[in-house]
Amino acid sequence: GQNIDQPTEMTATEGAIVQINCTYQTSGFNGLFWYQQHAGEAPTFLSYNVLDGLEEKGRFSSFLSRSKGYSYLLLKELQMKDSASYLCAVRAPATDKLIFGTGTRLQVFP
Amino acid sequence: DADVTQTPRNRITKTGKRIMLECSQTKGHDRMYWYRQDPGLGLRLIYYSFDVKDINKGEISDGYSVSRQAQAKFSLSLESAIPNQTALYFCATSDDRTGGSETQYFGPGTRLLVL
Repeated sequence: GQNIDQPTEMTATEGAIVQINCTYQTSGFNGLFWYQQHAGEAPTFLSYNVLDGLEEKGRFSSFLSRSKGYSYLLLKELQMKDSASYLCAVRAPATDKLIFGTGTRLQVFP
Repeated sequence: DADVTQTPRNRITKTGKRIMLECSQTKGHDRMYWYRQDPGLGLRLIYYSFDVKDINKGEISDGYSVSRQAQAKFSLSLESAIPNQTALYFCATSDDRTGGSETQYFGPGTRLLVL
């Protein structure tokens, strides 16, 4: 079966650091994506991991452990505009289909 | 101009009506997808197409049909709309390279309400 788990909601304070976890059990793996989605808007690409380790991109970093079926998205120096949902998605081999988690809604408070 | 466009952006319809949601892209991508998004359920794949002659069912295709009129156009039809098809619908595109960091690019979404 295919299963991707993320916390439903998280809150954090402006300027802080927050880590959003994602665990997955899928029948195949060909990369993991993180997307940001503001309410009512389209998801936009944040990061991609296919090998174990940390990928850093400005204030955002993403980590992957394939043996543990685990990833996290780390957001530093939080800003109010980071209030959004964060979607974890695993890509299936060959078909390139994305399997999405239900998303984590992050609220950043002043 | 946006690379992936969807029309209409909002639609209210009645149970039993046939409606079509349209998606166009200027990215030159071969692969196109239709998803629906419901609160608490995330994005779920309805149909996908790898080129004009290739159409595949996703995980929730019942009640829907699609048409790939050209490389740049992919339409989703609800033959007889029902209230539980009320959702936010997204079209997406991707390059035809398998693997790599090439992501899917999403349109702005169509908010559909079936009364």
